[in-house]
Amino acid sequence: EAQVTQNPRYLITVTGKKLTVTCSQNMNHEYMSWYRQDPGLGLRQIYYSMNVEVTDKGDVPEGYKVSRKEKRNFPLILESPSPNQTSLYFCASSSSRYGYTFGSGTRLTVV
Amino acid sequence: TQLLEQSPQFLSIQEGENLTVYCNSSSVFSSLQWYRQEPGEGPVLLVTVVTGGEVKKLKRLTFQFGDARKDSSLHITAAQPGDTGLYLCAGLLYNTNAGKSTFGDGTTLTVKP
Repeated sequence: EAQVTQNPRYLITVTGKKLTVTCSQNMNHEYMSWYRQDPGLGLRQIYYSMNVEVTDKGDVPEGYKVSRKEKRNFPLILESPSPNQTSLYFCASSSSRYGYTFGSGTRLTVV
Repeated sequence: TQLLEQSPQFLSIQEGENLTVYCNSSSVFSSLQWYRQEPGEGPVLLVTVVTGGEVKKLKRLTFQFGDARKDSSLHITAAQPGDTGLYLCAGLLYNTNAGKSTFGDGTTLTVKP
């Protein structure tokens, strides 16, 4: 089944403790992206990647890192999480400019 | 300032009614997508429109891209309770990297039986 898989689905962590949210797609898509969704603010793009080793900032990249060493994987790294990074995070992938396939989301709480 | 403005923000209607959701911008987009999102799940792509004036139909849903590629609408005919959800428009700005997209704030639709 074609899908984007994110892990974990739920995560509670403490301020300053480094964490990684994994994302993997099995559709051989070139484009991958991370979004965060917050009430009243909608979906905002954090980082995106157009291919292996090619990444660029979205609208809200501060406090996040990404890497694209393999085509199928696009992990999101929070080096020093803070409470304002508490959010619902989505990974997505696409083969073109014609729309993304989204994962099921990771609900992150930073206390 | 939101690049894509969706209206209305909330819509509550009875089963069988028709409705239209709008997605407007002052910027030109090379493509525009509509998604539907259920609570706690990721958005699901419904359609992509790329040509100014384009109309696409998906069963009871009709999508239109404005002639100038700055706006779009989603029309649902004879809404059903299963249409309930958050409807999001998203666009790829003209002359930007293909991976960079922007989303509207969404329209929350409730269809009552």
